[in-house]
Amino acid sequence: KAGVTQTPRYLIKTRGQQVTLSCSPISGHRSVSWYQQTPGQGLQFLFEYFSETQRNKGNFPGRFSGRQFSNSRSEMNVSTLELGDSALYLCASSLVPSGSFDYGYTFGSGTRLTVV
Amino acid sequence: KQEVTQIPAALSVPEGENLVLNCSFTDSAIYNLQWFRQDPGKGLTSLLLIQSSQREQTSGRLNASLDKSSGRSTLYIAASQPGDSATYLCAAGDMNRDDKIIFGKGTRLHILP
Repeated sequence: KAGVTQTPRYLIKTRGQQVTLSCSPISGHRSVSWYQQTPGQGLQFLFEYFSETQRNKGNFPGRFSGRQFSNSRSEMNVSTLELGDSALYLCASSLVPSGSFDYGYTFGSGTRLTVV
Repeated sequence: KQEVTQIPAALSVPEGENLVLNCSFTDSAIYNLQWFRQDPGKGLTSLLLIQSSQREQTSGRLNASLDKSSGRSTLYIAASQPGDSATYLCAAGDMNRDDKIIFGKGTRLHILP
């Protein structure tokens, strides 16, 4: 059974550019959540998608956006990159929204974004 | 507001010892608690998930307990091995928050050969 797949694994971008990251959840999982991980802040919630609809959004500026496709694959986009956006971006898939009672989250290996 | 705390932030123990990692949360209204392992630069690997109605879960040398009344969870690792060296994070599923799952900052564990 394939796990959560995130592409690309590494990215180097210049300030002001935009970037798109991709996440393919486990087959059958319809919920995808995105997290930003930095040494100082730890894991911070970006947003969650379920059935192509954004259910929840964390406290990030509008430069961070996402979407989910009918096959449950999700993309997140960051526009006008800043140095502080350098982080490990993780996505997590779950069978039902927000993890729910019986199911936890399965995480991908992440995309390491470096902004120079 | 739910806060999840893991103390200590880092821990070094000799190989073969049993050890306990701690996780505390401020609001007992959680629906589950999950322990993850993270190797440097990698994603999170789920270790154990405890539902709110359960007291503990076991997987191999790992045992996680949950005490909602005291706001605590522990991860017990028996007979530690160098391969156990990693950062361990706990995450509480919180029904009262939009983001639903609150992570601790983790405990960085180093097993000395």
